[in-house]
Amino acid sequence: KQEVTQIPAALSVPEGENLVLNCSFTDSAIYNLQWFRQDPGKGLTSLLLIQSSQREQTSGRLNASLDKSSGRSTLYIAASQPGDSATYLCAGQGGSEKLVFGKGTKLTVNP
Amino acid sequence: EAQVTQNPRYLITVTGKKLTVTCSQNMNHEYMSWYRQDPGLGLRQIYYSMNVEVTDKGDVPEGYKVSRKEKRNFPLILESPSPNQTSLYFCASTYRRRSYGYTFGSGTRLTVV
Repeated sequence: KQEVTQIPAALSVPEGENLVLNCSFTDSAIYNLQWFRQDPGKGLTSLLLIQSSQREQTSGRLNASLDKSSGRSTLYIAASQPGDSATYLCAGQGGSEKLVFGKGTKLTVNP
Repeated sequence: EAQVTQNPRYLITVTGKKLTVTCSQNMNHEYMSWYRQDPGLGLRQIYYSMNVEVTDKGDVPEGYKVSRKEKRNFPLILESPSPNQTSLYFCASTYRRRSYGYTFGSGTRLTVV
């Protein structure tokens, strides 16, 4: 059974800092790894999708990597801004199509 | 615009009064799923559907029903809601067997009193 863990549960940083959010998963037979952003009480916005054959994906100031052998993914945010404050969720998709979520990292970027 | 549409966005109801949350997608996705999100528990899958007329239980199916009569629609039915079903609900869809990723609806905030 796939389990996804995100560390840390919460992170507070000053504006402008580069930061890394961590995600680990137990089943390396992962199909996709998807990172989402969620603002309080709102829906999920897809940030990056890494397919199993890929090592990383980039979108603007965001870069996500995937290492299936170690069961890890990281989300790198460059030059953080207060508008980046949100909860970041990673989710792994297996061959059954089911998406298994971590519990998220709540990020606060202080001006 | 490709999207998953859920309705209503907010709903307050009383214990035992049947309700339906609708979900519709316009991307011709085969796979659709319902999740609930609760503080400290994260997102958990309720039910999913691989295609029309094919549905199955997720991790927390008790108290819920679903149907998939058309490819685009996947309603979530609470026949006798209880307060422990107060939650934030999300519908999601994706293609099967393709590395495409999921699209989520905007969520339905349900309160059962």
